[in-house]
Amino acid sequence: GQSLEQPSEVTAVEGAIVQINCTYQTSGFYGLSWYQQHDGGAPTFLSYNALDGLEETGRFSSFLSRSDSYGYLLLQELQMKDSASYFCAVLNDYKLSFGAGTTVTVRA
Amino acid sequence: DAGVTQSPTHLIKTRGQQVTLRCSPISGHKSVSWYQQVLGQGPQFIFQYYEKEERGRGNFPDRFSARQFPNYSSELNVNALLLGDSALYLCASSLLAVDTEAFFGQGTRLTVV
Repeated sequence: GQSLEQPSEVTAVEGAIVQINCTYQTSGFYGLSWYQQHDGGAPTFLSYNALDGLEETGRFSSFLSRSDSYGYLLLQELQMKDSASYFCAVLNDYKLSFGAGTTVTVRA
Repeated sequence: DAGVTQSPTHLIKTRGQQVTLRCSPISGHKSVSWYQQVLGQGPQFIFQYYEKEERGRGNFPDRFSARQFPNYSSELNVNALLLGDSALYLCASSLLAVDTEAFFGQGTRLTVV
């Protein structure tokens, strides 16, 4: 089976940088994905890492280390609209296995 | 372009009843997956269909079933509803058989009373 661990909550002020760590145990690993979900909304895709290293997309970056079964999502220049739940998810052949999510609260 | 659409958006059912949830993927997407999300948790995988074939099934009882139609839309059926089936049911579509980028619908909020 799969197991993923990520912090349950993070609070930061506008303009700050937040790093959400994710460790996983799985078989048949293809890659690590990150999704954002606002209250009452649909999960939306942020990033996908199949290879080791850092992927940067605007204010968000994602990192993967396959040897350490570890990844993180970096949120820079935090804005109020970034307040949401963030999920890491392991991709295997046919499914995404999600962590329990990290609630990010951005304060003014 | 229309995103993933799900219907209905909300549903209230009684224990023991049956329910059918519907999903229309993004045009051109041939993969549809279903997830259950209980409040405060991450989505849990139920099924994936690609090209009308079931590619995978999660750890859910046989009361859960699904199918994909020739136009790639999909239905999720749940029989003999239990209180614990109350959740947000999400449908996701993707271009590839492997969901490197999955697009989720707004979900169907099912309440079992």
